[in-house]
Amino acid sequence: RKEVEQDPGPFNVPEGATVAFNCTYSNSASQSFFWYRQDCRKEPKLLMSVYSSGNEDGRFTAQLNRASQYISLLIRDSKLSDSATYLCVVRGDTGRRALTFGSGTRLQVQP
Amino acid sequence: NAGVTQTPKFRVLKTGQSMTLLCAQDMNHEYMYWYRQDPGMGLRLIHYSVGEGTTAKGEVPDGYNVSRLKKQNFLLGLESAAPSQTSVYFCASTYSPSMEQFFGPGTRLTVL
Repeated sequence: RKEVEQDPGPFNVPEGATVAFNCTYSNSASQSFFWYRQDCRKEPKLLMSVYSSGNEDGRFTAQLNRASQYISLLIRDSKLSDSATYLCVVRGDTGRRALTFGSGTRLQVQP
Repeated sequence: NAGVTQTPKFRVLKTGQSMTLLCAQDMNHEYMYWYRQDPGMGLRLIHYSVGEGTTAKGEVPDGYNVSRLKKQNFLLGLESAAPSQTSVYFCASTYSPSMEQFFGPGTRLTVL
């Protein structure tokens, strides 16, 4: 089983739609969680960290469910510019000095 | 600040040739990482460093070597390139594993 699993998509949604991605992780001791965004042929960039209480940044909401070991990302009022691949990223226990990246979920927002 | 830079941006090698990829960061980060990204595979960690003079193996270290002689630079070497090493290579750096990683623009390597 992969340490971090994501549905590769693509998710094709119209502008203005709400879309949600889930990501599951296998290590119950994982400590830190992130969503990164990667545009085609570009480097990944941090979208948002994911906190235990959930957090929101504009149209983006991230949730963490430790009991079920999954992370979610909700995008409201989708824009064409949201089209990208969204990477779920997890840091294992506190002894781990590196992050584990999911394979990514591709989102295509259509006019 | 330039952030994280990578040299070169593109390279084509023949099987058996060697090369070195350079990563440089100007943010005084302790941690630096080398990843490769292949279609459908996501980012996989090759090697990483937790400070000047230190290196450690990641998930896919075979066929690669690294060095961190200066805090701002992290070099990735391919001693004898193989077609399986055709990939996009990303370097990243951070203050701490719990914080944001900053990535370079990537190096697209093709091994024929």
